[in-house]
Amino acid sequence: DTEVTQTPKHLVMGMTNKKSLKCEQHMGHRAMYWYKQKAKKPPELMFVYSYEKLSINESVPSRFSPECPNSSLLNLHLHALQPEDSALYLCASSQSTTAYTEAFFGQGTRLTVV
Amino acid sequence: AQKITQTQPGMFVQEKEAVTLDCTYDTSDQSYGLFWYKQPSSGEMIFLIYQGSYDEQNATEGRYSLNFQKARKSANLVISASQLGDSAMYFCAMGARSDSGTYKYIFGTGTRLKVLA
Repeated sequence: DTEVTQTPKHLVMGMTNKKSLKCEQHMGHRAMYWYKQKAKKPPELMFVYSYEKLSINESVPSRFSPECPNSSLLNLHLHALQPEDSALYLCASSQSTTAYTEAFFGQGTRLTVV
Repeated sequence: AQKITQTQPGMFVQEKEAVTLDCTYDTSDQSYGLFWYKQPSSGEMIFLIYQGSYDEQNATEGRYSLNFQKARKSANLVISASQLGDSAMYFCAMGARSDSGTYKYIFGTGTRLKVLA
């Protein structure tokens, strides 16, 4: 099973709303990632968790707040977003954070900020 | 800094023919991994194939093969016997070491492949 599950698949939120994206994997992977992807662009890394600890934050604005409650679950809390934050948000996991391990991605959450 | 370059924004291929998608990379690491992903319009990134820098043989997975030329720093994806379902965006990626020592995946700009009936 190489499945990474993301919910919801689509989300529309206002600029004053608070919402959360959820990502789950049961492959025993110890590294989890959040990527943001704008239309016709490659994914851009936002955060990396390794063994449930935040390992990389790519200078993401504080209106995005990641959380890793356990080794299977990764959340992305959203607050006071801007319309330019509308994008596809992809979660991924890999066995570990090395150069040689493939990452498996979820189907993504298409976020629209109005 | 590590970098992935895909110079073909779009490609067309006739159904049942083979197609090569180009990827070049730049890294100062001696050990690294290269990956190809397929992204259909639905959005999911689907892992296709992996090549390690020390692998002596080119990787193959079904209809996918990776033409790895280390001296040229290229890792081209070859899709044989193209099918209509192969129409998608294809990204080349590699593991890149961050300042913290943790690896992250960096992606090229992608190639959109359209298979013609």
